[in-house]
Amino acid sequence: GAGVSQTPSNKVTEKGKYVELRCDPISGHTALYWYRQSLGQGPEFLIYFQGTGAADDSGLPNDRFFAVRPEGSVSTLKIQRTERGDSAVYLCASTAGTGYGYTFGSGTRLTVV
Amino acid sequence: AQSVTQLDSQVPVFEEAPVELRCNYSSSVSVYLFWYVQYPNQGLQLLLKYLSGSTLVKGINGFEAEFNKSQTSFHLRKPSVHISDTAEYFCAVSDKGYQKVTFGTGTKLQVIP
Repeated sequence: GAGVSQTPSNKVTEKGKYVELRCDPISGHTALYWYRQSLGQGPEFLIYFQGTGAADDSGLPNDRFFAVRPEGSVSTLKIQRTERGDSAVYLCASTAGTGYGYTFGSGTRLTVV
Repeated sequence: AQSVTQLDSQVPVFEEAPVELRCNYSSSVSVYLFWYVQYPNQGLQLLLKYLSGSTLVKGINGFEAEFNKSQTSFHLRKPSVHISDTAEYFCAVSDKGYQKVTFGTGTKLQVIP
């Protein structure tokens, strides 16, 4: 596609529920990133995929968070047993390679009530 | 591990006045440096980047930044701001050869008519 697409744009869920956030990167971009942005903060790294594999998942806060990219294109970020502290904007970005800079999606605003 | 410090959380400036947004980074290796802009209710957009070569980098919308290795800084400047420049600006760094990018906490630029 022309840009990075994230769905849904907004998600409200109850504490303890499971959520999935989807990212569709720019066609041909092999690298895909997930970041989380809390109010008043800069984007915080979660995980990075090179192709189908997670090249670096050091930013995932705990084992409730998991992400997949089974065919090397679309990625899904999965959060189990959501907590109110998970409320944030989840950003996805893709890039053509090192030094190119990221192209970001518009984000998914997750609110856990 | 790299880190980024944006010293000013908010910068008010009158329209048509010059502005400088400060950014300092720390890293044990050579780096790539970026500035991203986030307009209200929009996603992050790449403003400019430094990879190598000339230390003065020009970006979109009349912005420029200067890489200073000895001071580990990458300050963003514009000689004359417009109302439309009101946004949040994020400085970011990555180690050369590595795709993961670390962001600062952002500086909100408020242009006053």
